[in-house]
Amino acid sequence: QLQLQESGPGLVKPSETLSLTCTVSGGSFSSTTYCWDWIRQPPGKGLEWIATMYRGGSTYYNPSLKSRVTISVDTSKNQFSLNLRFMTAADTALYYCARRYCNTTTCYYFDYWGQGTLVTVSS
Amino acid sequence: EIVLTQSPATLSLSPGERATLSCRASQSVSSQLAWYQQKPGQAPRLLIYDASNRATGIPARFSGSGSGTDFTLTISSLEPEDFAIYYCQQRSNWPLTFGGGTKVEIK
Repeated sequence: QLQLQESGPGLVKPSETLSLTCTVSGGSFSSTTYCWDWIRQPPGKGLEWIATMYRGGSTYYNPSLKSRVTISVDTSKNQFSLNLRFMTAADTALYYCARRYCNTTTCYYFDYWGQGTLVTVSS
Repeated sequence: EIVLTQSPATLSLSPGERATLSCRASQSVSSQLAWYQQKPGQAPRLLIYDASNRATGIPARFSGSGSGTDFTLTISSLEPEDFAIYYCQQRSNWPLTFGGGTKVEIK
């Protein structure tokens, strides 16, 4: 059974950079059949897509965060990561990593999710 | 950016009743819309993909319909475990977007 597990600091100071890692186990990671995403959810609020690592290494970012965010992958460790710079209180959220299945032309929906990691921005 | 508007924000129903949830897109997403269920303390779970297809393991009481800009998630007869928040999500255009959610609560 595929599992995704987020890891990273639970507390970040304003203006600092958040670094999160998602470790994928129990399934294929390197296949071009999947893409890997980050999504966040502020406490008590809805879901916001952050970024996608597409098959072949292409990346897509939410325009609202594009200037501050980087997604990367380390296939040797079955991990992908998120860096979010210049954190503010508005970035306080539960951060999820997730997987989407892809065919030859497109990627679909989030079928596997991590449990999420809460990141609080506070001095 | 495609905005997804879900209604109602809260639906108060009793077990056994039928739930009808709406998701309206600001422009056509064809059939490229999914529904997720989220329970407290849990990650969202994929219920319906491409508007009307149940994901693996999802009970038949969940059904989706619609295309273009108007979509509906129907739960034919609410079970106690169905009381949760439901989100729609489109994959038609970047950025991927979610609706604001509908909370189905026990009346």
